Amino acid sequence: EADIYQTPRYLVIGTGKKITLECSQTMGHDKMYWYQQDPGMELHLIHYSYGVNSTEKGDLSSESTVSRIRTEHFPLTLESARPSHTSQYLCASSDSGTGVHGYTFGSGTRLTVV
Amino acid sequence: DAKTTQPTSMDCAEGRAANLPCNHSTISGNEYVYWYRQIHSQGPQYIIHGLKNNETNEMASLIITEDRKSSTLILPHATLRDTAVYYCIVRAVNDYKLSFGAGTTVTVRA
Repeated sequence: EADIYQTPRYLVIGTGKKITLECSQTMGHDKMYWYQQDPGMELHLIHYSYGVNSTEKGDLSSESTVSRIRTEHFPLTLESARPSHTSQYLCASSDSGTGVHGYTFGSGTRLTVV
Repeated sequence: DAKTTQPTSMDCAEGRAANLPCNHSTISGNEYVYWYRQIHSQGPQYIIHGLKNNETNEMASLIITEDRKSSTLILPHATLRDTAVYYCIVRAVNDYKLSFGAGTTVTVRA
């Protein structure tokens, strides 16, 4: 069973639209992450959060923004979608206490901007 | 400045052991070796991790050399469902971010 949920699973949207990708986890993990992955390519960390009201940019520059108002919720927003934003977005979480045991990933959102 | 080096791809026969190598010659004393796998663009799945001792769980075994400069992930009896990209990642104990490289594409053949 999934303890980290991403919605929508697939999204096709027009250029210029504002979109929010949702990510929620029920494990009480304090740390959450967003990765971007193009088909057949590597995962790249674009945002992370180590707790409520704490967000940082990752290794790959992204035009998206994130917020962390609640522990369990870490949404990603694109103010004006462009075709270059077409990709898969994966959310993950980890716990400080059990962080050594690794991340839990969601199933991802596959975004297509037309 | 990749911290790990893995073969690009490898094949394995169903039912046989799959041995996946990873080089991490610049690993520091406070860095763990993690293995994840990603099946067909799903979210990566944690497999196993270790510091210096060999580790085993229900999914795999991890063998770390004594000098810690390389490791091998062993899938004892590979099945078709083990076909995936396998990532070897080095991570410091107080750095919670994971950096995924290209990994090894493992294809299990019947």
